Amino acid sequence: DAGVTQSPTHLIKTRGQQVTLRCSPKSGHDTVSWYQQALGQGPQFIFQYYEEEERQRGNFPDRFSGHQFPNYSSELNVNALLLGDSALYLCASSAHRGREQFFGPGTRLTVL
Amino acid sequence: AQKVTQAQTEISVVEKEDVTLDCVYETRDTTYYLFWYKQPPSGELVFLIRRNSFDEQNEISGRYSWNFQKSTSSFNFTITASQVVDSAVYFCALIETQGGSEKLVFGKGTKLTVNP
Repeated sequence: DAGVTQSPTHLIKTRGQQVTLRCSPKSGHDTVSWYQQALGQGPQFIFQYYEEEERQRGNFPDRFSGHQFPNYSSELNVNALLLGDSALYLCASSAHRGREQFFGPGTRLTVL
Repeated sequence: AQKVTQAQTEISVVEKEDVTLDCVYETRDTTYYLFWYKQPPSGELVFLIRRNSFDEQNEISGRYSWNFQKSTSSFNFTITASQVVDSAVYFCALIETQGGSEKLVFGKGTKLTVNP
């Protein structure tokens, strides 16, 4: 039973560029949440997707957008990258209204 | 809004010592859920435990134990006879429910180093 997978593992971009990160949830899960973890900090909630709709959003600008596909996988898009967007981006999956979120290995984004 | 405070930024112990990681939370919900996650250097968050607010029994799992006290809004984590493999960043988290969806609110984490 595959767990949560994310791609790519690492990514290097320059300021102003756009990036797309991908996540496949754990088998049987239909809800995907994205978190940003800056160095030395705890993960911060970006948004959550269920039934292909954004259900809740954290305190992140509109440059951060997402999508969920019919197979429950999800993408996180960040436009107009800033140096401050450098972080580990974590995807978590859960069953709808399930209390446990299972995390993927993360994508480490570096913006130069 | 929910808040989780982990006052200990870094802890360093020698192998076989016992160590306790503190977690204090704030919530207005009467029913809530608390979590501990471990984050090794690889970066993946590993789920350790979930605790419901209506179950104040302490839990033990091998060398790990958790002390949940609603009166002091604390959910502390103790590792007995620590090992080098326990070295990691540990996060305490709280579920926040809004509009039928849930998100995790994390503390800033405690970096534990266990020296041989």
